[in-house]
Amino acid sequence: QVQVVESGGGVVQPGRSLRLSCKASGFTFTNYGMHWVRQAPGKGLDWVAVISNDGSTKNYADSVKGRFTISRDNSKNTVYLQVNSLRAEDTAVYYCAKEPHQWLVEYYCDYWGQGTLVTVSS
Amino acid sequence: QSALTQPPSASGSPGQSVTISCTGTITDVGRYNSVSWYQQHPGKAPKILVYDVTKRPSGVPDRFSGSKSGNTASLTVSGLQAEDEADYYCSSYGGTNNVLFGGGTRLTVL
Repeated sequence: QVQVVESGGGVVQPGRSLRLSCKASGFTFTNYGMHWVRQAPGKGLDWVAVISNDGSTKNYADSVKGRFTISRDNSKNTVYLQVNSLRAEDTAVYYCAKEPHQWLVEYYCDYWGQGTLVTVSS
Repeated sequence: QSALTQPPSASGSPGQSVTISCTGTITDVGRYNSVSWYQQHPGKAPKILVYDVTKRPSGVPDRFSGSKSGNTASLTVSGLQAEDEADYYCSSYGGTNNVLFGGGTRLTVL
């Protein structure tokens, strides 16, 4: 069955960096785009970034452009989110999620992981 | 402030129907048939209910249905059940290679 498992979260000081990972299984990873979506404690969903199946297309929310970088390693079935210059408002659960159809980026997700919590605090 | 506007709460009794609205603009909800709806129970990951305004993934009960009129999309939950109590989020393609979410609606089954 389809599974996506996030890791790499933790407590980090403002201004520092972190790399989040998302390991996928149960589907042909190289054929699907992947998203990162975050959710601050007690708040709603906030889209962060998407990467196409081959990594050639990457798009970001305005709020993270220039600070966050999405990437993938298809040989490891893993997508990453490098988060730099962290701010208190980046505190959230970060979810990795899969695009539903092969080869396309349709800007919605059919399978989501359980998330990894990033807490930015001094 | 979320890009798409949802009512913060909705409620209904078991067996009743409830409709949740999601209002965007002509540049997102109004222009594209790329509206999705997600259900999220406390402490759990979101689950897709509807995509492309009206389509349901396999396994989603037909009690959940989506529609759109102008800049407003809607999710109707028919035959309310206790397990439908959750947060519901709409999303739309934003028009500039991005995704917009609504602020979420807490559905209470009375």
